[in-house]
Amino acid sequence: QVQLQQWGAGLLKPSETLSLSCAVYGGSFSDYSWSWIRQPPGKGLEWIGETSHSGGTNYNPSLKSRVTISLDTSKNHFSLKLSSVTAADTAVYYCATGMIYIDYWGQGTLVTVSS
Amino acid sequence: DIQMTQSPSSLSASVGDRVTITCRASQSISSYLNWYQQKPGKAPKVLIYATSSLQSGVPSRFSGTGSGTDFTLTISSLQPEDFATYYCQQSYSTPRTFGQGTKVEIK
Repeated sequence: QVQLQQWGAGLLKPSETLSLSCAVYGGSFSDYSWSWIRQPPGKGLEWIGETSHSGGTNYNPSLKSRVTISLDTSKNHFSLKLSSVTAADTAVYYCATGMIYIDYWGQGTLVTVSS
Repeated sequence: DIQMTQSPSSLSASVGDRVTITCRASQSISSYLNWYQQKPGKAPKVLIYATSSLQSGVPSRFSGTGSGTDFTLTISSLQPEDFATYYCQQSYSTPRTFGQGTKVEIK
């Protein structure tokens, strides 16, 4: 059973960098893909990207130039950085993991971008 | 990117009704289609993976069918706890896109 607990700043100004981390309890890093997904208020789910134990990453092309997802197995956590944020990046951000589907989710962090 | 289109966007139904939600992919995704249920303020929860496999602990009133580009999620007899928003997601390729969601409301 995997548990994910995420943390990070919830209020940012435009042009700042969003930084979130997700602690992993249980499970093996080699078994899963480690993902970030976001959901703007009142809207649907958007897949941001994923990383694997091998270090390979896949990003949504719409965000690729601004996104970095990294895995730190020594600290049992993975992270999301999104640069140059705007109001359009306001959303609940979820860390998540699974093999061919997502079966474990973090609790979600509301990130608001406002001047 | 593979586009996922769900229909309808919302529906009203009564307890006991049979409900069907469809999801269409812009290209073939074989059977790499998952369904999630999301309730307000909560993270999504997987119901069905690989088109038709029921996740452990999910009631058998939920079922999924399809292949290629066309998929359906069926709730055989809607229960009060099933009022929620449902999303399909393809896991065939990256980006692993979601449908826009179907909100199931009480009639």
